[in-house]
Amino acid sequence: QVQLVESGGGVVQPGRSLRLSCAASGFTFSSYAMHWVRQAPGKGLEWVALISYDGSNKYYVDSVKGRFTISRDNSQNTLYLQMNSLRVEDTAVYYCTREAPQLMFDYWGLGTLVTVSS
Amino acid sequence: SYELTQPPSVSVSPGQTARITCSGDALPKKYAYWYQQKSGQAPVLVIYEDIKRPSGIPEKFSGSSSGTMTTLTISGAQVEDEADYYCYSTDTSGTHRVFGGGTKLTVL
Repeated sequence: QVQLVESGGGVVQPGRSLRLSCAASGFTFSSYAMHWVRQAPGKGLEWVALISYDGSNKYYVDSVKGRFTISRDNSQNTLYLQMNSLRVEDTAVYYCTREAPQLMFDYWGLGTLVTVSS
Repeated sequence: SYELTQPPSVSVSPGQTARITCSGDALPKKYAYWYQQKSGQAPVLVIYEDIKRPSGIPEKFSGSSSGTMTTLTISGAQVEDEADYYCYSTDTSGTHRVFGGGTKLTVL
C-alpha cells in the first residue's frame, strides 16, 4: 500500500536550516509529482512547494521562495525539503503529499513538526 | 498572489444540508478540490474536479461549480461530519497551488 513517511522535523532557532525527508513506498515514485503542504498550529493548510515527477520543474509559494528548495531522489524514492533562513512563521506541521493525474492529493503522510523558536 | 475565499464557519443541525462555498477568480477555468480534515488527522479528499467523488466517500458529499464559486454540499449532515473543510485549486498558470482558508463545520 502507498506510504509516505516524513522525518527531519524538530526545534530550530530562527535563521538556521533544516532538511525534511519523505520516504515513499508502495508505488512508482518516479511517476508522480510530489508536494509539501504545511499547517501552522491552529491554522489552515498552506501549499508550500511542488516538484514534477522527474525533478525538472519546481514551484514555490511566495513566502518561501529563495529560502526553501524542494528536491527528489527517484533512485531512493525520497522527497526532500531544504529549509534555510527559517523564520518563526515557518513553524508548522509539514506534510508530504502525492499528486494524482487529476491534480488531486490522493495520499498524505502523517506530517513532521517544525518549530522555529529562539 | 491568488486566493480562494471560504466562510470561516458553517453550522447546521443534524440531518440538515450543509453548504460550504469557495470563491476564486480562476475557478471558471480551473478545477476545485475539497479536503476534509478532522482534528489531529491528515486531510482526506472528498471531492475532485469540481463534482467527482473518490471511491469510498459517501454519496452525501457532492460538489458543484458556477462561475467563480464552487460549493461543497453535505446532505443529511451528522456529528461525524464535523471537521474543517478546505477547497484547493491552482492559479491560471497552473503552477501555483492554493488552499482556501478553511471552513469549520459544526453539526449540533
